[in-house]
Amino acid sequence: SQKIEQNSEALNIQEGKTATLTCNYTNYSPAYLQWYRQDPGRGPVFLLLIRENEKEKRKERLKVTFDTTLKQSLFHITASQPADSATYLCALFTGGGNKLTFGTGTQLKVEL
Amino acid sequence: GAVVSQHPSWVICKSGTSVKIECRSLDFQATTMFWYRQFPKQSLMLMATSNEGSKATYEQGVEKDKFLINHASLTLSTLTVTSAHPEDSSFYICLLDGTGNNEQFFGPGTRLTVL
Repeated sequence: SQKIEQNSEALNIQEGKTATLTCNYTNYSPAYLQWYRQDPGRGPVFLLLIRENEKEKRKERLKVTFDTTLKQSLFHITASQPADSATYLCALFTGGGNKLTFGTGTQLKVEL
Repeated sequence: GAVVSQHPSWVICKSGTSVKIECRSLDFQATTMFWYRQFPKQSLMLMATSNEGSKATYEQGVEKDKFLINHASLTLSTLTVTSAHPEDSSFYICLLDGTGNNEQFFGPGTRLTVL
């Protein structure tokens, strides 16, 4: 069956450290993968898109990797801040028509 | 990014009533709009895909007669929850897709509570 899995447990890290979140998928062959941030009671906010032929993408303190052999994406936040605390969702383009399928999300808490 | 609004942002209604949720793009023309719902502490689940001027395509397990979708224009889509019941209480979010440029934008969501 098709699955998109993210760490179900919350990730707690200290301010200033690098947070690494994982997204694993099975039985998909996505052309693109996206990462979103979601705050409680709000819609997701787009962060980064990475294509299947790209290994790595960066944007300010964010870095995403995409390994189509391992079927895994890693999302890194360097020099983390309490304001980075949120739930982070990975999403794959699956099927036709740019349909996005989401992982379960990982809650990140950055502590002082 | 595009500015997307949803109205209402939250609604409380009695069981058996119908609720209409609007998703509007203020500066972006969306050929395709997706409707998702999200139950507490769960991920977003796609309900249906709609293209402007044509009927929506519903995901397996989503009743098309209960969740009516109208994609009236490139800037407006509506989702009507008919005869709502408490189990329909959820967070409903629209996602707008542009014309093949991989740009997609979420609305802020609508919290529906059915008593």
